[in-house]
Amino acid sequence: DIQLTQSPSFLSASVGDRVTITCRASQVISSYLAWYQQKPGNAPKLLIYAASSLQSGVPSRFSGSGSGTEFTLTISSLQPEDFATYYCQQLDGYPVTFGGGTKVEIK
Amino acid sequence: QVQLQQSGPGLVKPSDTLSLTCTVSGGSISSYFWSWIRQSPGKGLEWIGYIYYSGSTNYNPSLKSRLTMSVDTSENQFSLRLNSVTAADTAVYYCTRGSDWSDAYDVWGPGTLVTVSS
Repeated sequence: DIQLTQSPSFLSASVGDRVTITCRASQVISSYLAWYQQKPGNAPKLLIYAASSLQSGVPSRFSGSGSGTEFTLTISSLQPEDFATYYCQQLDGYPVTFGGGTKVEIK
Repeated sequence: QVQLQQSGPGLVKPSDTLSLTCTVSGGSISSYFWSWIRQSPGKGLEWIGYIYYSGSTNYNPSLKSRLTMSVDTSENQFSLRLNSVTAADTAVYYCTRGSDWSDAYDVWGPGTLVTVSS
């Protein structure tokens, strides 16, 4: 199985901060990498697909980049509604796997 | 706008079969891949498997021996059956949609908390 390691696992930040979350894969994967946001009690919401494509309706402050084994999710200016847990997902190899999550909390 | 509605019992006894159904509304079940994901309390996300509208499946090897997925295109719904459940199967179960086997999941059901307990 392809393992995905997210860092950090916990992040404390202020409104307006630039935030970067990293997802490292245990082997080279193609661009079949997605990012999701999950708030307590809710299902995950797709933010980024194909490593860098912004899902329709998602604010442009969210962006994704990377290739090979290292991928990043960046929030250019953190907003109050962005405090949540973020997960990366790879669909390059089966079984599909997810990173362990990064919880973004208010500083 | 496509929505997924989940149904099924929230409590299952150990060694019994967990059964969930996901009904697609606002769109067709055809030409999409339909996956199940679960999340144990306070834990991360685990992919269970997918079923294509044609009926072809791909299961997580860790669950394959206990797992059956099915699709009913006439009812626009798909289902999950996991047998011989234990407390380790207690989780929130989500159904999701993907446009291709390698596409991200753009539509999610609300989730069903299934507790395995006697």
